[in-house]
Parts: sequence; C-alpha cells; structure tokens
Amino acid sequence: EDQVTQSPEALRLQEGESSSLNCSYTVSGLRGLFWYRQDPGKGPEFLFTLYSAGEEKEKERLKATLTKKESFLHITAPKPEDSATYLCAVISAAGNKLTFGGGTRVLVKP
Amino acid sequence: KAGVTQTPRYLIKTRGQQVTLSCSPISGHRSVSWYQQTPGQGLQFLFEYFSETQRNKGNFPGRFSGRQFSNSRSEMNVSTLELGDSALYLCASRRGRGQGTEAFFGQGTRLTVV
Repeated sequence: EDQVTQSPEALRLQEGESSSLNCSYTVSGLRGLFWYRQDPGKGPEFLFTLYSAGEEKEKERLKATLTKKESFLHITAPKPEDSATYLCAVISAAGNKLTFGGGTRVLVKP
Repeated sequence: KAGVTQTPRYLIKTRGQQVTLSCSPISGHRSVSWYQQTPGQGLQFLFEYFSETQRNKGNFPGRFSGRQFSNSRSEMNVSTLELGDSALYLCASRRGRGQGTEAFFGQGTRLTVV
C-alpha cells in the first residue's frame, strides 16, 4: 500500500526566513508526485508535478525537488501570503488514485 | 477556462438522511475522483470515474456511491448519514488516466451531519 509522510506537521516562520518541507513516500512504481497548497475551507490548489529522481520545479518562492525516497518543498524568503497547508501526494503504478500525506501547516509572520 | 465546480458548497443534514453532491469537471476532462477530508484522517480517496465507469474505489462502506454521466459530470451519494460523515468532500478532475495528467480540485462541499 502506498504511504506518504510529511514533516514537520506545522512550521512557524518569520517573513524572509527560508525553510524546507519534507515528503517521504513508499510506493510501488512512482508515476508522479504532486504538491498542492490548501487554504482554510478551500480545495487544494495544484503547484507542481515531479516524475523522476533529480527533477526540480520552481514557481515564484517555491521550489520542489525529488529523490527516490522523498521530495522537498523549499520556500525561499516567504511572505505572509505563503501561509497555507502544503500537501504532498503520489500516484503509483498500482492505481490511479492520489495518496496524500497529512500536510504541513505553514504560518509566515510579518 | 472554468475550474472544477462543486455544488452545493455547504450542506447540513440529519443522521439517517441521504445526500447527493455534484461535481462538474474542467471542460475536456474525463476522469473525476472524489475525496473525503477530515481533520483526523486527512484526505482519503473515495472513488474514481472515467468514461461513466467506476475504475477505482477506496476503503469506504457501501453507503458511499457515485456515478458519472456522459458529459463527465459526476454525483456522489451518501445514504443513511452518520455523524462521522461530517467532512469536506472534494472532487478532482483529470484530463485522462495516464502519466502527466494532474488532478485539479474543486472548492469542496462542506457536509455537516447533526
């Protein structure tokens, strides 16, 4: 069974203080790893897809990287509007469902 | 381009009742999946429909069911509601089922069972 673990559960940052979120996964045949951002009471917003180890994607202050066992979401010089829950999910060769981690709640204080 | 639309946004039901939630995927997307999100369990997969056929099902009781229409719109039904069914129900649409097809989510339906 596919498993995804995210750490830390919560992260409090000062504006401008860069940090990284971790997503560890166990899947049989990774077909894709996805990062989403979710604001309270809203649906997850798609950020990135990563397919193979060594791949990197960037969007504004966010950069996602992938190894064979984990993915990192780096937040560079965050702003208060980056406060949200960041979710990691995988799709494996075994099926077509997204398996999500528990998320990391990020709070950026001005 | 319109996103994924879920209706209604909020719903309050009584234990024992049944409820139907609706999802209109992004135009051209043929795969629709449903997820339940609760504070304790996080996001859990319910089922996936593609070309009007259920292709995958999560570990939920038979009270949870769904269907997909020829225009790819999907409905999810929960019968004999229990208090534990209170959750945010999310619909995700994908263009297809192969690699490279990202899932885009709607805003969800917040179901409260009293």
